[in-house]
Amino acid sequence: GQNIDQPTEMTATEGAIVQINCTYQTSGFNGLFWYQQHAGEAPTFLSYNVLDGLEEKGRFSSFLSRSKGYSYLLLKELQMKDSASYLCAVRDWAGGGNKLTFGTGTQLKVEL
Amino acid sequence: EAGVAQSPRYKIIEKRQSVAFWCNPISGHATLYWYQQILGQGPKLLIQFQNNGVVDDSQLPKDRFSAERLKGVDSTLKIQPAKLEDSAVYLCASSADTSGGAYEQYFGPGTRLTVT
Repeated sequence: GQNIDQPTEMTATEGAIVQINCTYQTSGFNGLFWYQQHAGEAPTFLSYNVLDGLEEKGRFSSFLSRSKGYSYLLLKELQMKDSASYLCAVRDWAGGGNKLTFGTGTQLKVEL
Repeated sequence: EAGVAQSPRYKIIEKRQSVAFWCNPISGHATLYWYQQILGQGPKLLIQFQNNGVVDDSQLPKDRFSAERLKGVDSTLKIQPAKLEDSAVYLCASSADTSGGAYEQYFGPGTRLTVT
């Protein structure tokens, strides 16, 4: 099984930088995803890491350390529209196929 | 490219009734997933298909839930009989992923089920 931990809620100011952490425990690690989910909508893909290091995509960056079972999502130049839930999801190779397990999500509130 | 389609978008039923959800994945995507998302939680995988075969259904309550993916394209998820705790959003997702790689899952809009 898997154990994925991320903070329940975070608040940040428009224009600032925020880092959302995720720790996980798994036996067959095969990649880590970050998804964004606005209230009442489906999750949408943000980033993917399978090797250690930083992946940058515009205002969003994601970091992975496999030895520490740790990832973070970094959001720069925060905008009001970034208020959403951010889901960390770990993919396991589970005999026969990949399985994606989601954390409970971090609700980010961006304030003026 | 058309996204993942789901219907209905909303459904209200009484406990002990039956309900079925339909999903049409993105064309060419071999893998299809059904998730249950309870308010305030992350999506929980119910069942995963690769083509028309089941890859993982370890978290599917098989006494009341069933799913099929005939011909490896569309899929239906059924609950019979429903319980109050089945109230949730049921998300369907599809992916080109069959063995790993940076293949993200694309989610449909979901079906919001309320059991009264």
